[in-house]
Amino acid sequence: GEDVEQSLFLSVREGDSSVINCTYTDSSSTYLYWYKQEPGAGLQLLTYIFSNMDMKQDQRLTVLLNKKDKHLSLRIADTQTGDSAIYFCARTSSNTGKLIFGQGTTLQVKP
Amino acid sequence: DVKVTQSSRYLVKRTGEKVFLECVQDMDHENMFWYRQDPGLGLRLIYFSYDVKMKEKGDIPEGYSVSREKKERFSLILESASTNQTSMYLCASRGVVAVYSYEQYFGPGTRLTVT
Repeated sequence: GEDVEQSLFLSVREGDSSVINCTYTDSSSTYLYWYKQEPGAGLQLLTYIFSNMDMKQDQRLTVLLNKKDKHLSLRIADTQTGDSAIYFCARTSSNTGKLIFGQGTTLQVKP
Repeated sequence: DVKVTQSSRYLVKRTGEKVFLECVQDMDHENMFWYRQDPGLGLRLIYFSYDVKMKEKGDIPEGYSVSREKKERFSLILESASTNQTSMYLCASRGVVAVYSYEQYFGPGTRLTVT
């Protein structure tokens, strides 16, 4: 299947950790991505993980991949108000160069 | 620095008008994409192009066409705009040199309203 599923909304307090979850159905994806969209802007690549990895850490960001459950998560440590945005999970579609996106999770960070 | 630009940030058109959305990238990328973004639906692929004069339908091509006469420019055309085409339109590009990565670079988007 082509589906990538995300919850639509997450609210956290400044300084807390945020965890954004994503599930997908096609296990043949080579790469999985997290994109960030700030208000009024296009999408910007945050991080990605290759399908043979379980975890990737990049400063405040930690990506966890559970291939068995087809579950991807993005953890943002010490969440700041500047992290408020829509976060999209995406996976590759075979070898076409196409990306399949989830619905996007709106992260609201309260002061 | 990577750059994808779109001709307009905001556009208001009337039902039945022909609408052109332009996208330009300066990275010499072969692949270019047009998406529409709607709340709760994420990004849906309308059309994409592997190279100049090549085009492929995406998941929702109905009511749209595209043109890629030059490598740097990819145009989305709404032949006869309808109110259900009111949306945010995002353009993206990708270079095939990135063999092991499918990262796409996005423009800022055009918010189109059809009245």
